[in-house]
Amino acid sequence: EAQVTQNPRYLITVTGKKLTVTCSQNMNHEYMSWYRQDPGLGLRQIYYSMNVEVTDKGDVPEGYKVSRKEKRNFPLILESPSPNQTSLYFCASSLLGGGGRGLSEQYFGPGTRLTVT
Amino acid sequence: AQTVTQSQPEMSVQEAETVTLSCTYDTSENNYYLFWYKQPPSRQMILVIRQEAYKQQNATENRFSVNFQKAAKSFSLKISDSQLGDTAMYFCAFMKPFGGTSYGKLTFGQGTILTVHP
Repeated sequence: EAQVTQNPRYLITVTGKKLTVTCSQNMNHEYMSWYRQDPGLGLRQIYYSMNVEVTDKGDVPEGYKVSRKEKRNFPLILESPSPNQTSLYFCASSLLGGGGRGLSEQYFGPGTRLTVT
Repeated sequence: AQTVTQSQPEMSVQEAETVTLSCTYDTSENNYYLFWYKQPPSRQMILVIRQEAYKQQNATENRFSVNFQKAAKSFSLKISDSQLGDTAMYFCAFMKPFGGTSYGKLTFGQGTILTVHP
């Protein structure tokens, strides 16, 4: 089954304790990204990756790191979490378009609810 | 930068009736993609419908259809014969075309909570 998986699904942690949220896809997608969802703000992109070893900042990258050492995995790292990073996090993946005007559907993971106290 | 605005924080509708959710966006691009996503209480993001800006015909998917007004930068979602399972948060989203910078990034609106009453 084609899917994007995230772990953990729920996490409560304390300020300053480093954590990693994993994301994995089994569809051989080049493009992967992370979003955070906050009430009244919709989803905002944190980081994205166009392929292995190619990553770039999205709209809200402060306080986050990512890596893309394998095509299927795109972990999100919070080196020193703070309460303002309490949010719902989504990983998404897609093919890099179909050429020209090609459009590939983005597949979302199930979400990770993070609480930083 | 693109912005997407959903001006209706909450909407409600009776089962079997029709409801329209509003979305406006701002962009200087001529070609782009627009989407409606559904987020039920399970939090899963589900693609409902998509529209390519270069296509004049409005997209339809079963009970879901859009009214795409490119000049007005408006992209509303109409749900016909509403069902209890349609109860969810609905997000409007914008994406730039392949080949440009920030391709693949979805810019989302704030969301509209839709409740379908029996």
